[in-house]
Amino acid sequence: NAGVTQTPKFRVLKTGQSMTLLCAQDMNHEYMYWYRQDPGMGLRLIHYSVGEGTTAKGEVPDGYNVSRLKKQNFLLGLESAAPSQTSVYFCASSYATGTSLDNEQFFGPGTRLTVL
Amino acid sequence: AQRVTQPEKLLSVFKGAPVELKCNYSYSGSPELFWYVQYSRQRLQLLLRHISRESIKGFTADLNKGETSFHLKKPFAQEEDSAMYYCALKGNPPQKLVFGQGTRLTINP
Repeated sequence: NAGVTQTPKFRVLKTGQSMTLLCAQDMNHEYMYWYRQDPGMGLRLIHYSVGEGTTAKGEVPDGYNVSRLKKQNFLLGLESAAPSQTSVYFCASSYATGTSLDNEQFFGPGTRLTVL
Repeated sequence: AQRVTQPEKLLSVFKGAPVELKCNYSYSGSPELFWYVQYSRQRLQLLLRHISRESIKGFTADLNKGETSFHLKKPFAQEEDSAMYYCALKGNPPQKLVFGQGTRLTINP
């Protein structure tokens, strides 16, 4: 099993450009998440999904959109990139919440995005 | 409010010395807390969770509801413990995790 994979690994954008980050998981997890990691800020939740076709806003959703058309994929889109979106983006997935043992999130390797 | 605070951005100790990474939380319900670790060039992974009361790689963490803390401890630090550590709280809705700012631990030889 590959676990959680993310593409691309690195990307440099110019202000105003758009792009899509792809997250894929092969663990049949119901829940998927997108975080951004910034120095001194920890991980902040951008959007998440509790199932195919459903998405919800997290802590810092502005400037991002997401889609979950297939259970195994969760896409993060930047319609008009801004320098403030320079960050490392992590995708994660987990089983549905039932017991605390289900709540472990499995993370991807990250995508380093720079917006000039 | 749901909040996790890790007061130390950086922590440096010598090999063999005890280490304690601090974590304080704010949550109105019954908290469930976790420690995640990110080693150099590796992905973030779960280290331990308070509900299982287990010891992983020599690390333990006890939930103190009175002090609203979940500090991570190890009696004798090893060089391979150098990493970024995040404390996390199972939030509301329950499928969300709220992360602290992280503490970068460096073990000096």
